Amino acid sequence: AQTVTQSQPEMSVQEAETVTLSCTYDTSESDYYLFWYKQPPSRQMILVIRQEAYKQQNATENRFSVNFQKAAKSFSLKISDSQLGDAAMYFCAHLPNFGNEKLTFGTGTRLTIIP
Amino acid sequence: KAGVTQTPRYLIKTRGQQVTLSCSPISGHRSVSWYQQTPGQGLQFLFEYFSETQRNKGNFPGRFSGRQFSNSRSEMNVSTLELGDSALYLCASSSGTGLSYNEQFFGPGTRLTVL
Repeated sequence: AQTVTQSQPEMSVQEAETVTLSCTYDTSESDYYLFWYKQPPSRQMILVIRQEAYKQQNATENRFSVNFQKAAKSFSLKISDSQLGDAAMYFCAHLPNFGNEKLTFGTGTRLTIIP
Repeated sequence: KAGVTQTPRYLIKTRGQQVTLSCSPISGHRSVSWYQQTPGQGLQFLFEYFSETQRNKGNFPGRFSGRQFSNSRSEMNVSTLELGDSALYLCASSSGTGLSYNEQFFGPGTRLTVL
């Protein structure tokens, strides 16, 4: 079974600064996907960024980037130039490969942006 | 394309009653997954349906059931409601082909309160 751990229940960052959210996971599979989802107060889950385990290159989406360390089973999210709209719960998630749609989520990190 | 829709958005029931929640996936998507989100247990996978068949199941009691119709719309049913069933129920849809990564798109959720 897969497990996903987020050890930071809450984080805060000054607007325009950079923040890093941590995530570790455990899986016996060699091929899988990792995600960061954002859940704002509206409760709509939004995909922020995706990483395929077979890719060594870290994924980047505009101000969002990840640091994927496969051997260490670590997957952190870096948000650069933080904006007020980034305030939300952030969930790290794991998805097995090959047609398995079951996402395993971490417990989430609440990110507060300080103006 | 219209996004994933869930009805109703809010629901209040009493213990012992049963409830049915509905999820309409993005047009063309054949996979629908259901998740329960609570403050205590976080986000947990309930089950996934693909082409009217349950393809994957989480660790929930038999009171939780679901089905999928030929138009890919899905319903989940909870019988004999308990206070602990109070949660946000999220559904997610994807193409579900299993041949490669299929992004899951989440609906806005149904907030169920059991009194």
